[in-house]
Amino acid sequence: GEDVEQSLFLSVREGDSSVINCTYTDSSSTYLYWYKQEPGAGLQLLTYIFSNMDMKQDQRLTVLLNKKDKHLSLRIADTQTGDSAIYFCAESFPSGGYNKLIFGAGTRLAVHP
Amino acid sequence: EAGVTQFPSHSVIEKGQTVTLRCDPISGHDNLYWYRRVMGKEIKFLLHFVKESKQDESGMPNNRFLAERTGGTYSTLKVQPAELEDSGVYFCASSQGATGAPYNSPLHFGNGTRLTVT
Repeated sequence: GEDVEQSLFLSVREGDSSVINCTYTDSSSTYLYWYKQEPGAGLQLLTYIFSNMDMKQDQRLTVLLNKKDKHLSLRIADTQTGDSAIYFCAESFPSGGYNKLIFGAGTRLAVHP
Repeated sequence: EAGVTQFPSHSVIEKGQTVTLRCDPISGHDNLYWYRRVMGKEIKFLLHFVKESKQDESGMPNNRFLAERTGGTYSTLKVQPAELEDSGVYFCASSQGATGAPYNSPLHFGNGTRLTVT
């Protein structure tokens, strides 16, 4: 079945790196995503990775995908207070249409001075 | 370009009442989706419209929920009668394509409607 698991909370010091982890159960997913939700705002697509890739880097963001272990992570380098938000991991499948996403419960990232 | 707009941003109603949520997608986006996040849990897919047609409504929880998209523009999601477990944040999203990959047809989300049923 489809299931995406995330830890609920992460606290980091400003300037440190943050690593948010996600595990999923269905290995047939085609794309895996990281969305960010700031307070009072909608979901913003941060980055995504195609399932045949191991890593994707975009400025301060690094996504690592371990298909064998069904594990996805998001690393934020030099974390800033503006990075405080809820981060959702999600996956999609070609059979469902790529925009029918399966989300996790979200990880709340708190950045403190 | 205006984004996806949802109204109201918050709604507090009593159990048994009716509430109607509205979503205005990005102009020109044929595909409209409703998602829901209940009680801090995962965000779950509710349904997908292509223009005015329901393409997939497999996520609708029960027949108290009715979604419409007359004319293929804005959509409404009505809950009647509302129950306590319907409380949560209802997100609407739109995209140009339905089966395109995220690099050419990503989802654009609205800010959500927070529904509280007391």
